[in-house]
Amino acid sequence: ETGVTQTPRHLVMGMTNKKSLKCEQHLGHNAMYWYKQSAKKPLELMFVYSLEERVENNSVPSRFSPECPNSSHLFLHLHTLQPEDSALYLCASSQGLGGRFAGELFFGEGSRLTVL
Amino acid sequence: SQELEQSPQSLIVQEGKNLTINCTSSKTLYGLYWYKQKYGEGLIFLMMLQKGGEEKSHEKITAKLDEKKQQSSLHITASQPSHAGIYLCGADSTDKLIFGTGTRLQVFP
Repeated sequence: ETGVTQTPRHLVMGMTNKKSLKCEQHLGHNAMYWYKQSAKKPLELMFVYSLEERVENNSVPSRFSPECPNSSHLFLHLHTLQPEDSALYLCASSQGLGGRFAGELFFGEGSRLTVL
Repeated sequence: SQELEQSPQSLIVQEGKNLTINCTSSKTLYGLYWYKQKYGEGLIFLMMLQKGGEEKSHEKITAKLDEKKQQSSLHITASQPSHAGIYLCGADSTDKLIFGTGTRLQVFP
Protein backbone atom coordinates (compact mmCIF):
# COMPACT_ATOMS: atom_id res chain seq x y z
CA GLU A 1 0.00 0.00 0.00
CA THR A 2 1.20 3.49 -0.76
CA GLY A 3 1.64 5.91 2.12
CA VAL A 4 -1.29 8.22 1.35
CA THR A 5 -4.23 6.98 -0.69
CA GLN A 6 -6.95 9.16 -2.16
CA THR A 7 -10.27 8.07 -3.66
CA PRO A 8 -11.77 8.62 -6.07
CA ARG A 9 -9.00 9.64 -8.46
CA HIS A 10 -11.51 11.32 -10.75
CA LEU A 11 -14.92 12.79 -9.97
CA VAL A 12 -17.43 14.59 -12.15
CA MET A 13 -20.39 16.17 -10.42
CA GLY A 14 -23.19 18.59 -11.05
CA MET A 15 -23.61 21.73 -9.00
CA THR A 16 -26.48 20.23 -7.03
CA ASN A 17 -24.76 16.96 -6.19
CA LYS A 18 -23.27 15.90 -2.88
CA LYS A 19 -20.10 13.87 -2.96
CA SER A 20 -17.11 13.14 -0.75
CA LEU A 21 -13.38 12.77 -1.25
CA LYS A 22 -11.55 10.29 0.93
CA CYS A 23 -7.96 10.21 2.11
CA GLU A 24 -6.23 7.49 4.11
CA GLN A 25 -2.68 7.50 5.38
CA HIS A 26 -0.74 4.42 6.46
CA LEU A 27 2.31 6.22 7.83
CA GLY A 28 1.31 6.72 11.46
CA HIS A 29 1.32 10.48 11.03
CA ASN A 30 -0.70 12.76 13.27
CA ALA A 31 -1.40 15.68 10.95
CA MET A 32 -3.38 15.68 7.72
CA TYR A 33 -4.04 18.37 5.15
CA TRP A 34 -6.26 19.23 2.19
CA TYR A 35 -4.72 21.30 -0.60
CA LYS A 36 -6.38 22.62 -3.74
CA GLN A 37 -4.38 22.87 -6.95
CA SER A 38 -5.83 24.98 -9.75
CA ALA A 39 -4.20 25.76 -13.07
CA LYS A 40 -1.49 28.43 -12.86
CA LYS A 41 -2.00 29.01 -9.14
CA PRO A 42 0.12 27.95 -6.17
CA LEU A 43 -1.12 25.07 -4.10
CA GLU A 44 -3.72 26.46 -1.72
CA LEU A 45 -3.94 25.08 1.78
CA MET A 46 -7.58 24.47 2.66
CA PHE A 47 -7.67 22.60 5.96
CA VAL A 48 -5.24 21.23 8.51
CA TYR A 49 -6.01 18.63 11.13
CA SER A 50 -3.71 17.73 13.98
CA LEU A 51 -4.64 14.82 16.23
CA GLU A 52 -8.08 14.83 14.64
CA GLU A 53 -8.77 18.46 15.53
CA ARG A 54 -9.04 21.15 12.91
CA VAL A 55 -6.30 23.71 13.48
CA GLU A 56 -6.56 25.75 10.33
CA ASN A 57 -9.26 26.76 7.94
CA ASN A 58 -8.05 29.15 5.30
CA SER A 59 -11.32 30.94 4.65
CA VAL A 60 -12.66 28.06 2.62
CA PRO A 61 -16.31 28.36 1.48
CA SER A 62 -18.78 26.35 3.53
CA ARG A 63 -19.65 24.22 0.51
CA PHE A 64 -16.45 22.35 1.43
CA SER A 65 -16.81 20.47 4.71
CA PRO A 66 -13.89 18.45 6.11
CA GLU A 67 -14.13 15.54 8.50
CA CYS A 68 -11.36 13.75 10.34
CA PRO A 69 -12.79 10.78 12.27
CA ASN A 70 -9.34 9.49 13.28
CA SER A 71 -5.68 10.20 12.62
CA SER A 72 -5.61 7.92 9.57
CA HIS A 73 -8.65 9.17 7.68
CA LEU A 74 -9.65 12.52 6.25
CA PHE A 75 -12.71 13.36 4.20
CA LEU A 76 -13.76 16.38 2.18
CA HIS A 77 -17.52 16.60 1.77
CA LEU A 78 -18.69 18.56 -1.24
CA HIS A 79 -22.08 20.10 -1.86
CA THR A 80 -23.51 22.73 -4.21
CA LEU A 81 -20.12 23.34 -5.77
CA GLN A 82 -19.39 25.85 -8.50
CA PRO A 83 -17.56 25.24 -11.80
CA GLU A 84 -14.60 27.27 -10.48
CA ASP A 85 -14.15 24.61 -7.79
CA SER A 86 -12.91 22.23 -10.48
CA ALA A 87 -9.34 21.41 -9.53
CA LEU A 88 -6.99 18.73 -8.28
CA TYR A 89 -7.52 18.16 -4.56
CA LEU A 90 -4.47 16.83 -2.79
CA CYS A 91 -4.34 15.22 0.61
CA ALA A 92 -1.13 15.15 2.61
CA SER A 93 0.07 13.96 5.98
CA SER A 94 3.04 14.71 8.21
CA GLN A 95 4.55 13.68 11.50
CA GLY A 96 4.11 16.83 13.50
CA LEU A 97 2.29 19.93 12.56
CA GLY A 98 4.00 22.40 10.27
CA GLY A 99 6.34 24.91 11.75
CA ARG A 100 10.07 25.15 11.49
CA PHE A 101 11.71 22.07 10.08
CA ALA A 102 8.69 19.95 10.77
CA GLY A 103 9.73 17.74 7.94
CA GLU A 104 8.21 16.81 4.68
CA LEU A 105 4.63 16.34 3.76
CA PHE A 106 3.65 13.07 2.14
CA PHE A 107 1.08 13.57 -0.59
CA GLY A 108 -1.57 11.37 -2.11
CA GLU A 109 -1.98 11.26 -5.88
CA GLY A 110 -4.93 13.61 -5.79
CA SER A 111 -8.58 13.61 -6.76
CA ARG A 112 -9.35 15.40 -10.01
CA LEU A 113 -12.71 17.12 -9.56
CA THR A 114 -14.78 18.51 -12.42
CA VAL A 115 -17.93 20.47 -11.61
CA LEU A 116 -20.38 20.83 -14.46
CA SER B 1 1.86 36.77 3.98
CA GLN B 2 4.84 34.98 2.52
CA GLU B 3 4.93 34.21 -1.19
CA LEU B 4 7.21 32.05 -3.29
CA GLU B 5 7.97 32.92 -6.89
CA GLN B 6 9.49 30.36 -9.21
CA SER B 7 11.31 30.98 -12.46
CA PRO B 8 11.07 30.07 -15.17
CA GLN B 9 7.43 29.06 -15.30
CA SER B 10 8.21 26.48 -17.96
CA LEU B 11 11.30 25.01 -19.46
CA ILE B 12 11.91 22.85 -22.50
CA VAL B 13 15.37 21.32 -22.80
CA GLN B 14 17.06 18.72 -24.91
CA GLU B 15 18.10 15.51 -23.21
CA GLY B 16 21.58 15.79 -21.79
CA LYS B 17 21.43 19.51 -21.14
CA ASN B 18 21.82 21.11 -17.72
CA LEU B 19 19.16 23.40 -16.29
CA THR B 20 18.41 25.53 -13.23
CA ILE B 21 15.13 26.43 -11.56
CA ASN B 22 14.92 29.26 -9.05
CA CYS B 23 12.65 29.89 -6.10
CA THR B 24 12.55 33.31 -4.46
CA SER B 25 10.78 34.08 -1.22
CA SER B 26 9.22 37.38 -0.18
CA LYS B 27 10.36 36.73 3.40
CA THR B 28 13.22 35.02 5.21
CA LEU B 29 13.45 31.33 4.50
CA TYR B 30 13.67 29.03 7.49
CA GLY B 31 13.14 25.80 5.66
CA LEU B 32 12.93 25.16 1.94
CA TYR B 33 11.52 22.04 0.31
CA TRP B 34 11.65 20.86 -3.27
CA TYR B 35 8.97 18.58 -4.65
CA LYS B 36 8.36 17.04 -8.05
CA GLN B 37 4.92 16.39 -9.48
CA LYS B 38 3.96 14.31 -12.47
CA TYR B 39 1.00 15.86 -14.28
CA GLY B 40 -2.23 15.26 -12.38
CA GLU B 41 -0.55 13.31 -9.61
CA GLY B 42 0.68 13.93 -6.11
CA LEU B 43 3.91 15.58 -5.06
CA ILE B 44 7.05 13.59 -4.43
CA PHE B 45 9.53 14.95 -1.91
CA LEU B 46 13.00 15.59 -3.32
CA MET B 47 14.95 17.33 -0.59
CA MET B 48 14.85 19.83 2.24
CA LEU B 49 17.31 22.63 2.96
CA GLN B 50 17.55 24.21 6.37
CA LYS B 51 20.61 26.41 6.56
CA GLY B 52 21.96 29.23 4.49
CA GLY B 53 24.61 27.96 2.12
CA GLU B 54 23.41 24.39 2.46
CA GLU B 55 23.62 22.23 -0.64
CA LYS B 56 22.17 18.78 -1.15
CA SER B 57 22.29 16.36 -4.04
CA HIS B 58 20.24 13.37 -5.04
CA GLU B 59 21.33 11.54 -8.16
CA LYS B 60 21.66 14.30 -10.77
CA ILE B 61 19.65 16.92 -8.89
CA THR B 62 21.36 19.50 -6.66
CA ALA B 63 19.62 22.13 -4.57
CA LYS B 64 21.16 25.12 -2.80
CA LEU B 65 19.80 27.59 -0.29
CA ASP B 66 20.94 31.20 -0.26
CA GLU B 67 19.33 32.50 2.90
CA LYS B 68 20.54 36.05 2.47
CA LYS B 69 18.97 36.28 -0.94
CA GLN B 70 15.90 34.42 0.29
CA GLN B 71 16.37 32.15 -2.66
CA SER B 72 16.92 28.53 -3.55
CA SER B 73 18.01 26.96 -6.81
CA LEU B 74 17.51 23.48 -8.19
CA HIS B 75 20.03 22.31 -10.73
CA ILE B 76 19.67 19.23 -12.92
CA THR B 77 22.76 17.88 -14.64
CA ALA B 78 22.51 15.96 -17.90
CA SER B 79 18.70 16.00 -17.97
CA GLN B 80 16.76 12.89 -18.93
CA PRO B 81 13.14 12.35 -19.99
CA SER B 82 12.49 10.95 -16.51
CA HIS B 83 13.18 14.40 -15.09
CA ALA B 84 10.12 15.82 -16.85
CA GLY B 85 7.37 17.10 -14.58
CA ILE B 86 6.47 20.07 -12.44
CA TYR B 87 8.94 21.18 -9.81
CA LEU B 88 7.57 23.03 -6.80
CA CYS B 89 9.37 24.73 -3.98
CA GLY B 90 7.75 24.93 -0.58
CA ALA B 91 8.61 26.87 2.56
CA ASP B 92 7.68 26.80 6.21
CA SER B 93 5.48 29.81 6.86
CA THR B 94 4.00 30.22 10.33
CA ASP B 95 3.20 26.59 10.96
CA LYS B 96 2.16 25.66 7.47
CA LEU B 97 3.85 24.77 4.25
CA ILE B 98 3.28 27.16 1.35
CA PHE B 99 4.22 26.51 -2.25
CA GLY B 100 5.38 28.33 -5.34
CA THR B 101 3.47 28.20 -8.61
CA GLY B 102 5.75 25.54 -10.02
CA THR B 103 8.07 25.14 -12.99
CA ARG B 104 7.00 22.79 -15.75
CA LEU B 105 9.94 20.93 -17.24
CA GLN B 106 9.86 19.08 -20.54
CA VAL B 107 12.83 17.07 -21.77
CA PHE B 108 12.90 15.97 -25.38
CA PRO B 109 15.24 13.37 -26.90
